[in-house]
Amino acid sequence: NAGVMQNPRHLVRRRGQEARLRCSPMKGHSHVYWYRQLPEEGLKFMVYLQKENIIDESGMPKERFSAEFPKEGPSILRIQQVVRGDSAAYFCASSPFRPGTGAGANVLTFGAGSRLTVL
Amino acid sequence: KNEVEQSPQNLTAQEGEFITINCSYSVGISALHWLQQHPGGGIVSLFMLSSGKKKHGRLIATINIQEKHSSLHITASHPRDSAVYICAVRNQGGSEKLVFGKGMKLTVNP
Repeated sequence: NAGVMQNPRHLVRRRGQEARLRCSPMKGHSHVYWYRQLPEEGLKFMVYLQKENIIDESGMPKERFSAEFPKEGPSILRIQQVVRGDSAAYFCASSPFRPGTGAGANVLTFGAGSRLTVL
Repeated sequence: KNEVEQSPQNLTAQEGEFITINCSYSVGISALHWLQQHPGGGIVSLFMLSSGKKKHGRLIATINIQEKHSSLHITASHPRDSAVYICAVRNQGGSEKLVFGKGMKLTVNP
């Protein structure tokens, strides 16, 4: 059972280009979370999605950033017209249900992250 | 002031030492997570706590809800424990948003 798969692991873009980061949750997981880790800073929540629904996008910048989790396929974090300040590691995590409910102590599984560098 | 504070920020220990990492938070929470981030950058979820104490191998996590404080203990530390340990909390109110501490970098020397 593969874990959370993120790709690409490393992505280099020039200013103004688009970046697309993909996250395939663990099999059986229907909840996906995206987090951003800026250099020398802590992780910050971006967005929480269930299949075909954005549940909480309070951590998403208002412009240029969007996320989706379609019925089929991976979750996508899309950054349009990237700027140097978007350079960061973007982590995806998944869970089978809301982490505060149900049995099991560790129901949040993280991917290895996608490192975006904007030149 | 950050909602989640971790101390110390950095810690160097000798192999075999008992290590304690602290986390204090300032808001009401529904759960607290301890995460481990290795030098390669991958993140592993170690514990999720809402009360009491949990143990897994050489790791023990405790939480005191009244004092808004959690500790992660590592017994018989080993160089492979070298990593950044991150505390994260989920606020009360049903939000799934996690608020993270800045992490504590642990180095265990042989």
